[in-house]
Amino acid sequence: SSELTQDPAVSVALGQTVRITCQGDSLRSYYASWYQQKPGQAPVLVIYGKNNRPSGIPDRFSGSSSGNTASLTITGAQAEDEADYYCNSRDSSGNHGVFGGGTKLTVL
Amino acid sequence: QVQLQQWGAGLLKPSETLSLTCAVYGGSFSGYYWSWIRQPPGKGLEWIGEINHSGSTNYNPSLKSRVTISVDTSKNQFSLKLSSVTAADTAVYYCARGNFRLFGVDPYYYYYMDVWGKGTTVTVSS
Repeated sequence: SSELTQDPAVSVALGQTVRITCQGDSLRSYYASWYQQKPGQAPVLVIYGKNNRPSGIPDRFSGSSSGNTASLTITGAQAEDEADYYCNSRDSSGNHGVFGGGTKLTVL
Repeated sequence: QVQLQQWGAGLLKPSETLSLTCAVYGGSFSGYYWSWIRQPPGKGLEWIGEINHSGSTNYNPSLKSRVTISVDTSKNQFSLKLSSVTAADTAVYYCARGNFRLFGVDPYYYYYMDVWGKGTTVTVSS
């Protein structure tokens, strides 16, 4: 079982805003990072830290955190944002990495 | 720009040892946690373990008895060995560069994997 919990699936209408959440006790000490994965491809980091985007990631992606919950927000979702999204952090001991179960985002 | 190139055997029989290597090109080897992650067919990502440049390791407790991650700093490479494989170990295996640090006065730790290999499909079948 994962120490990070995500909703299995979320949908959003094209151009609308969607929030994907990740819950876990360790998020009170460690920021979550977020990865986008499209079929047959390696994961791509989209958000890390407080709210940091790697070079090349559109600014419609943003992150936030409150208590034991981290959120990835896509403002103005595009068709190309349809993918699986995973959160990642450390476990409560800090000694191991851990992934959430993933959220499948459908853009309608 | 840092790139990770990974390779290793793609087809194994039950009880054999999985062996993969990941080479780091274009960047520093020190200051990072070099990581292995896997993804069974149709399932989510699973963190396997990590090693830093000085050889300090952390392993997923569920795999710890079978996993060894090693580093060769002279070649900027790190490797994964997983012993006694079964069909449940069938997955795409990724190597990645992990960052784990504090920034400034922010009390929260930053942990993220910013560079990934392309993945190696490993199938365990008799």
